[in-house]
Amino acid sequence: GENVEQHPSTLSVQEGDSAVIKCTYSDSASNYFPWYKQELGKGPQLIIDIRSNVGEKKDQRIAVTLNKTAKHFSLHITETQPEDSAVYFCAASISRGSQGNLIFGKGTKLSVKP
Amino acid sequence: EAQVTQNPRYLITVTGKKLTVTCSQNMNHEYMSWYRQDPGLGLRQIYYSMNVEVTDKGDVPEGYKVSRKEKRNFPLILESPSPNQTSLYFCASSFFGRSETQYFGPGTRLLVL
Repeated sequence: GENVEQHPSTLSVQEGDSAVIKCTYSDSASNYFPWYKQELGKGPQLIIDIRSNVGEKKDQRIAVTLNKTAKHFSLHITETQPEDSAVYFCAASISRGSQGNLIFGKGTKLSVKP
Repeated sequence: EAQVTQNPRYLITVTGKKLTVTCSQNMNHEYMSWYRQDPGLGLRQIYYSMNVEVTDKGDVPEGYKVSRKEKRNFPLILESPSPNQTSLYFCASSFFGRSETQYFGPGTRLLVL
């Protein structure tokens, strides 16, 4: 089955710097890659996702890149702000497949220091 | 407002005392699931439901039960809680199923003494 590995487990950056979180997946059939942000005391919330027919997607300060050949995808946050501090989860699945299931990485705790 | 709600948000109980955590969604989603979150282990799926009266085991189902009698509700039942079930629990729902975007509730923090 699918296995998703996420690195680093903790990341500390200075406000204004960029942050990058990387995930690798094992099943080459996976084609849907969402990223979730979990703020303290809240449930994970989708912040951006990418499907295998594109290599990059941006939404303001957040971008996700996908390398299908290498089976890895990354979250990039530019101009980080203290409110970006949270736990971030990547996930992978075979979208809409009858046997598909969203498999999560173990999470990255991002701390943005003012 | 479209949302997934869970109750209670915090619960302290003792070993062996049956408890139920409720979950409700107002988005008319067919798919619902339960996860537990533990430090260093990420999100692990307990049970999921593809539709009313259709439930199946996730990765860590031991010690848990679920039911899906109505589309909007998916309660998690711990019939005899043990300390190793101390965890943070999340309910989630999805329009397109288990491989697509999940919408999570706010979480229930459970302590079993």
